[in-house]
Amino acid sequence: SQTIHQWPATLVQPVGSPLSLECTVEGTSNPNLYWYRQAAGRGLQLLFYSVGIGQISSEVPQNLSASRPQDRQFILSSKKLLLSDSGFYLCAWSVFRNLNTEAFFGQGTRLTVV
Amino acid sequence: KNEVEQSPQNLTAQEGEFITINCSYSVGISALHWLQQHPGGGIVSLFMLSSGKKKHGRLIATINIQEKHSSLHITASHPRDSAVYICAPSTGNQFYFGTGTSLTVIP
Repeated sequence: SQTIHQWPATLVQPVGSPLSLECTVEGTSNPNLYWYRQAAGRGLQLLFYSVGIGQISSEVPQNLSASRPQDRQFILSSKKLLLSDSGFYLCAWSVFRNLNTEAFFGQGTRLTVV
Repeated sequence: KNEVEQSPQNLTAQEGEFITINCSYSVGISALHWLQQHPGGGIVSLFMLSSGKKKHGRLIATINIQEKHSSLHITASHPRDSAVYICAPSTGNQFYFGTGTSLTVIP
């Protein structure tokens, strides 16, 4: 079956500390992978997407980076967190199949920077 | 400029009521997803549709590609339906998200 694992579910980090959120996908190969952020009371904003290993596209300038070291692994990182990095981070993957884009979403990570 | 507009933003209903959430979008798409986000934050994909209508239990989703409009209906609403419902049109690698409709169903 197709599943997506994202961890941790919640995280409290001090300002200036590093960040690493990991997302892994099962049950598919060569998926498109995404990192989204949802600030309080706002919609989902695309941060990064990847169409293959080592291929990362960034949608907005920010304090974050992403890497895809393996086909089904997507990592969101920061060297030094800012207060404004607080929010809900969501990993997702999609595959174009039967003329449609099927999408699956992780459970999300609620990050609080203090 | 928002590519996706959802209405209403907030909705409170009595248990048993019929609920409709609307979504209008301005981009050309290959499919549209309706997502459900519970208070804990996790998101579940309810429907993916590119034409017509789909039904799953008490949930019905419709889309009119020409009018760039989709609706999500909930029949016989229940308190466990309380969640944020998000419309997400997609094309290729790109997803567009509405800001969501926060639904509260009161017993």
